[in-house]
Amino acid sequence: EAEVAQSPRYKITEKSQAVAFWCDPISGHATLYWYRQILGQGPELLVQFQDESVVDDSQLPKDRFSAERLKGVDSTLKIQPAELGDSAMYLCASGRDRSYNEQFFGPGTRLTVL
Amino acid sequence: SQQGEEDPQALSIQEGENATMNCSYKTSINNLQWYRQNSGRGLVHLILIRSNEREKHSGRLRVTLDTSKKSSSLLITASRAADTASYFCATELTGGGNKLTFGTGTQLKVEL
Repeated sequence: EAEVAQSPRYKITEKSQAVAFWCDPISGHATLYWYRQILGQGPELLVQFQDESVVDDSQLPKDRFSAERLKGVDSTLKIQPAELGDSAMYLCASGRDRSYNEQFFGPGTRLTVL
Repeated sequence: SQQGEEDPQALSIQEGENATMNCSYKTSINNLQWYRQNSGRGLVHLILIRSNEREKHSGRLRVTLDTSKKSSSLLITASRAADTASYFCATELTGGGNKLTFGTGTQLKVEL
């Protein structure tokens, strides 16, 4: 069964360093989502792509976060510089297209900022 | 911001019992979805109910939706230890373009 792949699974970094997360969605899925999940809370959407275009990045802290999906397939989320409050699980999800509602999630990247 | 509030925050039951968790939301929706998350892992889609539906079943899962009260419930019948997980409701808002807004989650523990 096809799955969403994410790497790394765990990342420990120091404050003010740069970090990057990678996501490979299920083949053929047009929509891709990045979520941040703080411990004990539900995921919050950071950015949504339709193919290579950003559909919604209203909750993305653009002073330090950036996301790209250059060829409309895999995606990278970057944080520079990392802050203590960025410690969280970063989840990637994909969907077949905007008319199909179910999202398929990857295992996530657990980020710890020291 | 979290659109949904789930109740209870935590639930502990014995294997074989039924588990019910509730979700309330604030604004008009296209659909409401339930997801399960095992500890430290990604989320798995369980079931979707559209705004014009009132009840839906999938295996041991039963979901209801009351749009007049802006609430939904998830019932898991004959629970198993493997059902131990966090359960989240997620709403797709009217005009929201596939964007899901997740609730705060219910932690379910099923004991042998």
